[in-house]
Amino acid sequence: GAVVSQHPSRVICKSGTSVKIECRSLDFQATTMFWYRQFPKQSLMLMATSNEGSKATYEQGVEKDKFLINHASLTLSTLTVTSAHPEDSSFYICSARDGRGLYYEQYFGPGTRLTVT
Amino acid sequence: TQLLEQSPQFLSIQEGENLTVYCNSSSVFSSLQWYRQEPGEGPVLLVTVVTGGEVKKLKRLTFQFGDARKDSSLHITAAQPGDTGLYLCADRMGAGNMLTFGGGTRLMVKP
Repeated sequence: GAVVSQHPSRVICKSGTSVKIECRSLDFQATTMFWYRQFPKQSLMLMATSNEGSKATYEQGVEKDKFLINHASLTLSTLTVTSAHPEDSSFYICSARDGRGLYYEQYFGPGTRLTVT
Repeated sequence: TQLLEQSPQFLSIQEGENLTVYCNSSSVFSSLQWYRQEPGEGPVLLVTVVTGGEVKKLKRLTFQFGDARKDSSLHITAAQPGDTGLYLCADRMGAGNMLTFGGGTRLMVKP
């Protein structure tokens, strides 16, 4: 149990275009999902908390108009990188919190490698 | 703001050796989680520890939680190349139960 998928796994886009990344909890409902960004050889940095049916909460320094998050259902959250630039190239990882767990464990998707040319 | 420090940052060992990595917090953990992340993949939850002094075993991995709940160690016995990866400790924080991560220990086990 507790499987989280992400799509696509890799995407290459041109500068100025937008890219949508999907995160799905496959066998549980997730009222809360999280989006992280990871640069090479570094740890994960939380970008935003996505709550089903309400607006996302963004961490300090993360542009909410650039990184649009929609949590439309209990099993799906999407991250749209708008007007992408090369500096947005990174590994984006989502996680979903399993409310069934005693300690609200988070389970991570496999990540999406975004390259902006 | 809670700070999690992991050491060492990098570790390269031969197959069959034992190793220990550490995670120290500037404040008491709510619940400490250890993850392993392989290149190009998302982190995979290994264990959650909550009680001070707790010891949990997962095959060749032994997790210890300090009595004061401010530090933890992960010991791997007879490391194998499949243990290679980034080991991350994390704590839940805030009303939203967000995770804050340490900087990670990057382990490479050579055959």
